[in-house]
Formats: sequence, C-alpha cells, structure tokens
Amino acid sequence: GENVEQHPSTLSVQEGDSAVIKCTYSDSASNYFPWYKQELGKGPQLIIDIRSNVGEKKDQRIAVTLNKTAKHFSLHITETQPEDSAVYFCAASTSGTYKYIFGTGTRLKVLA
Amino acid sequence: GAGVSQTPSNKVTEKGKYVELRCDPISGHTALYWYRQSLGQGPEFLIYFQGTGAADDSGLPNDRFFAVRPEGSVSTLKIQRTERGDSAVYLCASSSTGSGGPQHFGDGTRLSIL
Repeated sequence: GENVEQHPSTLSVQEGDSAVIKCTYSDSASNYFPWYKQELGKGPQLIIDIRSNVGEKKDQRIAVTLNKTAKHFSLHITETQPEDSAVYFCAASTSGTYKYIFGTGTRLKVLA
Repeated sequence: GAGVSQTPSNKVTEKGKYVELRCDPISGHTALYWYRQSLGQGPEFLIYFQGTGAADDSGLPNDRFFAVRPEGSVSTLKIQRTERGDSAVYLCASSSTGSGGPQHFGDGTRLSIL
C-alpha cells in the first residue's frame, strides 16, 4: 500500500524567512496531494492541494511543487509569520480509494 | 456555512466501556470519513462512507469498532469493550464527492480510556 514520508519533523525559521517541507510517496498511482495545517486542539485545515497533472500551484505565500518522476512533493511558505506556527501534514490519495495516507507531520516554529 | 461538527469534544471513560462518537458533516456532502490520530502522528484512515453505505472499512482495527450512517448524513463511530490503546483523537471529515476531492475535517473527539 501507499506510504508517505515527511521531512523534517521539526523546523524553526526566523519571521520573514521561507520554510520548505518535503514529502515522498511510494504508490505511483497516487494522483492527489493535499497539505493540511493543524493547530493545537483543532482539526487539520486544508491549505493547498495539487493534482498529478500539475507541476506547481501557488496561493499567495504558499506554493506546492510536485515531481511525479521522483514521487515527491514539497510545501513552500514564503515571508513566514508567527501565525504560520503549527503542525503541517502532507497526504496522498489515489483515485478510486478516496482515503488519504498522511505523513507524520512537521512542527513549524516561526520565531519573531 | 457550518463546518464538520463532532461531539463530544472530549470523552473520558473506563476500560471495557462502550462509547459512541458523533459526526455531523457539512450539509450536502455525500462522502464521510473517519480517521484516528495518535499523539505526534498523522491521521490514519478508519472508514469511508458514500451515502449510507460503508464503501471502505479497511482501516477499522478490529471488530470492536463499528460505524453507521443510517440516513446518509450524521455518522456515529462505535467502540465496544474499550482498551487503553484506543485512546486517541478521532477525526471526521467530509467531502462533496468521493472522487478524491478535498476533505474537510472537524476538530475531533479526544478519547481517553482510563
């Protein structure tokens, strides 16, 4: 079955710097890759997603890139702010299975 | 509009007891999912409903776990003879279709088995 690995497990950056979180997946049939932000005591909140027919997607300070050949995808956050501090999860999904396989999460700390 | 609602937000019970966790999906969403999240881990899939039927229950860990969605809206996750290892946050998500579209999560029920 699908396996998703996520790195790093923790990441500290200075306010205004960029943050990059990377994920790899094992199932070449995976075709949908969402990213979630989870704050303490809350459920995961979708922040951006990408489908396998697209190489890059951007939404303001957040962007996601996908390399299907290498089976990895990355989240890029520019101009980080203290409110970006949270745990971020990547996930992979295959059409026809519907369930998400999540990575183990990255705890991002943005230092003011 | 309202998001996914889960009740209770916290549940503490003794080992061996029976518990029910409720999920109210976003209105009109036909697909509903249950996940379990242990401390420091990502959510793990339990079961997926399309309408009233369980389309995929491959993530349920054993026969003590059961879920229903009798009218295609509200779902209840039921755990019999609870064990300490069942302690986790149980998350519910819904999506407008079951075709791999974005899933929207509730804030979960934190279940603690003493």
